[in-house]
Amino acid sequence: DAGVTQSPTHLIKTRGQQVTLRCSPKSGHDTVSWYQQALGQGPQFIFQYYEEEERQRGNFPDRFSGHQFPNYSSELNVNALLLGDSALYLCASSSAGLYEQYFGPGTRLTVT
Amino acid sequence: AQRVTQPEKLLSVFKGAPVELKCNYSYSGSPELFWYVQYSRQRLQLLLRHISRESIKGFTADLNKGETSFHLKKPFAQEEDSAMYYCALTLFPGNTGKLIFGQGTTLQVKP
Repeated sequence: DAGVTQSPTHLIKTRGQQVTLRCSPKSGHDTVSWYQQALGQGPQFIFQYYEEEERQRGNFPDRFSGHQFPNYSSELNVNALLLGDSALYLCASSSAGLYEQYFGPGTRLTVT
Repeated sequence: AQRVTQPEKLLSVFKGAPVELKCNYSYSGSPELFWYVQYSRQRLQLLLRHISRESIKGFTADLNKGETSFHLKKPFAQEEDSAMYYCALTLFPGNTGKLIFGQGTTLQVKP
């Protein structure tokens, strides 16, 4: 089991563009959470998906949206990119009812 | 608002010295607290959680509700303990709720 995988590893976009990041959870996990980690900061919760629905959401604008597929993989979409969206985006998976979240390696997004 | 504070960005100690990484939280309910660690070029991983009362790699952490603290301690630091440490809080005991992280503390253990 490769654990949580994310793609791509790095991404460079221009202001105003749209981006899609992908996450495959650890085998056996059904819940996916997304976090944004700015340089020098701790991860900040964006939202969580379970049973293909957004279960919880953090304090992020509607430009941030997501999706979960029947195979539990997930996408994070960000529209109208701003310079401030430059960050490491982490995906974490877990099994409903259990505490431990397993993190992926992250996708480094740079907005120029 | 719920908040996790790690007052030190960097903690530097010599090998064999005791280590205490501080974490304070603000939350009016019953929190579940965790410590996550990120070693160089590795992904973020769970080190320990207060409900299990485990000692992992010699580290322990006690939840002090009166002082709203969850400090991470180790009596004798090892060079391999050098890493970034994050304290985190979840608001929904019993399920996989969102994690609120502190800003992190870099632990540097010198030989």
